[in-house]
Amino acid sequence: GAVVSQHPSRVICKSGTSVKIECRSLDFQATTMFWYRQFPKQSLMLMATSNEGSKATYEQGVEKDKFLINHASLTLSTLTVTSAHPEDSSFYICSARDVAKNIQYFGAGTRLSVL
Amino acid sequence: GENVEQHPSTLSVQEGDSAVIKCTYSDSASNYFPWYKQELGKGPQLIIDIRSNVGEKKDQRIAVTLNKTAKHFSLHITETQPEDSAVYFCAASIGDSTLTFGKGTMLLVSP
Repeated sequence: GAVVSQHPSRVICKSGTSVKIECRSLDFQATTMFWYRQFPKQSLMLMATSNEGSKATYEQGVEKDKFLINHASLTLSTLTVTSAHPEDSSFYICSARDVAKNIQYFGAGTRLSVL
Repeated sequence: GENVEQHPSTLSVQEGDSAVIKCTYSDSASNYFPWYKQELGKGPQLIIDIRSNVGEKKDQRIAVTLNKTAKHFSLHITETQPEDSAVYFCAASIGDSTLTFGKGTMLLVSP
């Protein structure tokens, strides 16, 4: 089936640094990708919808200057956590929609730990 | 907006038993209902989905049923195995709108 690749799977960084997470759709072109955040033992919380060639749509309460999203091609979206702080430590998951099938596939997630 | 309720939050069964997870949704216009399995430390994996033009769909040991009148849908896993242990999420959407997820069910299958 379709595959969404997410890298890195794990990142540990110092407070104040920026971290970039990549999400690639390998088997289909994705005009729309999504970024989620997941806290332990909780459901997925949608952060933003990434649209190829246009600005991302952020959910209420998500700081767009903090979480920069770029969707420069039909197969790649990136999330940059700028000036990361310990409270940004979380599990971040991307997904991509296969428009032809109207199915959303998820990446393997990125565990971010900010020291 | 759409609201999806999922029950139970945890479910423990013996290997070989069946497991049923139920979800209800609020928006009658919703027409796409996927189920995802998430293992510890991994991303969710689509295991089965159903669209509102059918009432039931099966894939080997997994089946999903949809009752549009009552606005609920269920995941059925038969002959459970320890490797079925994971967190299962239901979701609902209208067409290609964003998915609304349930809060998840932790399924534990004991050998």
